[in-house]
Amino acid sequence: EAQVTQNPRYLITVTGKKLTVTCSQNMNHEYMSWYRQDPGLGLRQIYYSMNVEVTDKGDVPEGYKVSRKEKRNFPLILESPSPNQTSLYFCASSLSGGNYEQYFGPGTRLTVT
Amino acid sequence: RKEVEQDPGPFNVPEGATVAFNCTYSNSASQSFFWYRQDCRKEPKLLMSVYSSGNEDGRFTAQLNRASQYISLLIRDSKLSDSATYLCVVNRKDSNYQLIWGAGTKLIIKP
Repeated sequence: EAQVTQNPRYLITVTGKKLTVTCSQNMNHEYMSWYRQDPGLGLRQIYYSMNVEVTDKGDVPEGYKVSRKEKRNFPLILESPSPNQTSLYFCASSLSGGNYEQYFGPGTRLTVT
Repeated sequence: RKEVEQDPGPFNVPEGATVAFNCTYSNSASQSFFWYRQDCRKEPKLLMSVYSSGNEDGRFTAQLNRASQYISLLIRDSKLSDSATYLCVVNRKDSNYQLIWGAGTKLIIKP
């Protein structure tokens, strides 16, 4: 089954404790991205990747890191989480860029206390 | 001004009615337009792309008005299962890689 998977689905952590949210797709998509979704603000892009070893900042990259060592995986790293990073996070992939259908993972609900 | 603006709703509509959403965008150079649907606490899923000539998919019709910089979505004969949040999406000016998402319009279909 073609899909995007994210783990964990729910995470409660404390300020400053490094965490990684994994994202994997099995569709051989070149493009992957991370979004956060907050009430009233819509989806905001954190980082995106056009292909392996190529990443770029989205609109809200501060406090986040990403890597794209393999085509299928695109982990999101929070080196020192803060309460303002409490949000719903989505990973997405597409064939090649924003002009194509975006396939989303199920989301990760992160709470930082 | 937001790059993509939508009426947040909610729109409370009786089953069988026709409902229309509008979305305005600020970048006149945008070329790609989409409507996504998001069920409560779930991931967004593509509903339809929006083409210059307008397009229809069953009960759903999407229109693009470049001069006024808005796109619309019309749902005819609404069903209970149409209850969801509808997200307007536009590509960022000069970028094939970045999309700008509206905050969404919540639709509630009542029996």
